Amino acid sequence: DAGVTQSPTHLIKTRGQQVTLRCSPKSGHDTVSWYQQALGQGPQFIFQYYEEEERQRGNFPDRFSGHQFPNYSSELNVNALLLGDSALYLCASSTGVTYGYTFGSGTRLTVV
Amino acid sequence: SQQGEEDPQALSIQEGENATMNCSYKTSINNLQWYRQNSGRGLVHLILIRSNEREKHSGRLRVTLDTSKKSSSLLITASRAADTASYFCATDGRLRGSGNTGKLIFGQGTTLQVKP
Repeated sequence: DAGVTQSPTHLIKTRGQQVTLRCSPKSGHDTVSWYQQALGQGPQFIFQYYEEEERQRGNFPDRFSGHQFPNYSSELNVNALLLGDSALYLCASSTGVTYGYTFGSGTRLTVV
Repeated sequence: SQQGEEDPQALSIQEGENATMNCSYKTSINNLQWYRQNSGRGLVHLILIRSNEREKHSGRLRVTLDTSKKSSSLLITASRAADTASYFCATDGRLRGSGNTGKLIFGQGTTLQVKP
């Protein structure tokens, strides 16, 4: 049973560019959440998708947007990249009726 | 912003010793969870304790929760070199009714080094 799959593993982008990160949730999970983890910090909640809609959002600018597809997979898009967007981006999946979350291994984004 | 603080920020012990990490939080919660992270990779869920529980065990892990003090502790007994990692507590807030928010708020983490 595959867990949460994220792609790509590593990514280097130039300031001002746009990036798309992808996440496939664990089988049976219908909710996807995205987190940003800066070096040496705990993860910070970006947003959560359920039934193809953004259900909750953290304190992130509109440059961060997302999408959930009918198969529950999800994308995180970041526009107009800043150096400060360099971080590990984590995807977590869950179901609406169970507690606990399954995290992917993350995408390491470096903005130069 | 982070929910609260974890203490200590770093901990170094010998194999076989016990490791205790503490976590404080600020708001009402539905549950509190502990995660492990190896070398900046994905988070591994260790244990979840609900707001109406005071103590929970899982193998060598023991978690306590004191909602009156808004604090939790994670005890790892008989530590092993493989336990070397960063440990994070995360709270899941409370919405109207009994549902959780689905939004985890993490602490800054404790970096544990277990020397063989």
